[in-house]
Amino acid sequence: AQKITQTQPGMFVQEKEAVTLDCTYDTSDQSYGLFWYKQPSSGEMIFLIYQGSYDEQNATEGRYSLNFQKARKSANLVISASQLGDSAMYFCAMREPYSSASKIIFGSGTRLSIRP
Amino acid sequence: DTEVTQTPKHLVMGMTNKKSLKCEQHMGHRAMYWYKQKAKKPPELMFVYSYEKLSINESVPSRFSPECPNSSLLNLHLHALQPEDSALYLCASSQEMANEQFFGPGTRLTVL
Repeated sequence: AQKITQTQPGMFVQEKEAVTLDCTYDTSDQSYGLFWYKQPSSGEMIFLIYQGSYDEQNATEGRYSLNFQKARKSANLVISASQLGDSAMYFCAMREPYSSASKIIFGSGTRLSIRP
Repeated sequence: DTEVTQTPKHLVMGMTNKKSLKCEQHMGHRAMYWYKQKAKKPPELMFVYSYEKLSINESVPSRFSPECPNSSLLNLHLHALQPEDSALYLCASSQEMANEQFFGPGTRLTVL
């Protein structure tokens, strides 16, 4: 069965520093997708970035990049030049192999706090 | 229009009440989802509709009843809930199942 692990329950980072949020996954499938979501205290889940298992390049979206290391089964999120507004809960998620009943499973999350 | 809307934002109900949560998207997405999220936990999938048909029911108690009247709307009917059902209820949609999901702001439900 697929599994997502986020080992950092909480992190504190100084504003303007880069931050790496860890995510490891476990699957025996060759085709899968990995996502990162941000959840501020308001509650809304905001989609940040996606990486497909066959994508050779690491995904990037603005200040977000996904450090995809397939052999290690890790998909860490890197946020460059952190801002106060980055303070939130961050969830790593994995899509089950594509089928008519594919689901996305979420890790336990990392709470990121940015210090001014 | 690139957002998912949910109403109401907050809901307080008694255990004998009947209420409904509503979700709407106009992105032409064909998959819609209901999640339940307790504090400091990840979202838990409840239901998935694909092309207006119920595709996944994650063994949710029958006091939660989903409905998909059309491709843009998703409802969650609530009846005889328990205090432990108090949570944030998130709706999401995606182009197809397994694509990235876009979430609404959620409804914070309190059952007294």
